[in-house]
Amino acid sequence: QQPVQSPQAVILREGEDAVINCSSSKALYSVHWYRQKHGEAPVFLMILLKGGEQKGHEKISASFNEKKQQSSLYLTASQLSYSGTYFCGTRNNAGNMLTFGGGTRLMVKP
Amino acid sequence: GAGVSQSPRYKVAKRGQDVALRCDPISGHVSLFWYQQALGQGPEFLTYFQNEAQLDKSGLPSDRFFAERPEGSVSTLKIQRTQQEDSAVYLCASSLQLAGGRHEQFFGPGTRLTVL
Repeated sequence: QQPVQSPQAVILREGEDAVINCSSSKALYSVHWYRQKHGEAPVFLMILLKGGEQKGHEKISASFNEKKQQSSLYLTASQLSYSGTYFCGTRNNAGNMLTFGGGTRLMVKP
Repeated sequence: GAGVSQSPRYKVAKRGQDVALRCDPISGHVSLFWYQQALGQGPEFLTYFQNEAQLDKSGLPSDRFFAERPEGSVSTLKIQRTQQEDSAVYLCASSLQLAGGRHEQFFGPGTRLTVL
């Protein structure tokens, strides 16, 4: 079952902040965040691992609540380049593949 | 190149034709994944290789879909007797990942398949 992302879409003014949430019904080993622009490959942003380890971009932060099987991506002081669709991909202990949410469409306006 | 490459970038096929989609992963990456992405949706897992071994093919939608990675590097996804519902973007991703999965997956630009 795929994780649920919220909100489905958000419009920001440049410089504003946003939070994107990802929730799973299954126990998670890791959560991976990607941004995809139209017609392009998903670009890796961050990985959060069970136990608290994180790696990713310096300007993007995220949290992972293992007990609630939830992750949040925090975008601060948004820039025009942040526009795109954000996907969370979750991995449980049963396999190596990622199960992706339906995406959150983010538009940053000047 | 430094990233994952896929070819062709676009493919138009008539219903019933066979197609082959190629993926060149990042050099040295052990794991290779294929995903299918429908318009406006997130990628959906198709199959996974670790080196030349296909360890998981649970996401392949039918026996018309076949993937191989014979030398543990380049991979080919083949779709036989294409149907209109096969129209989608097919994404390939590679990773240093071994069992344990602590590494990110890097995606290629995808092949957009349109079946008429």
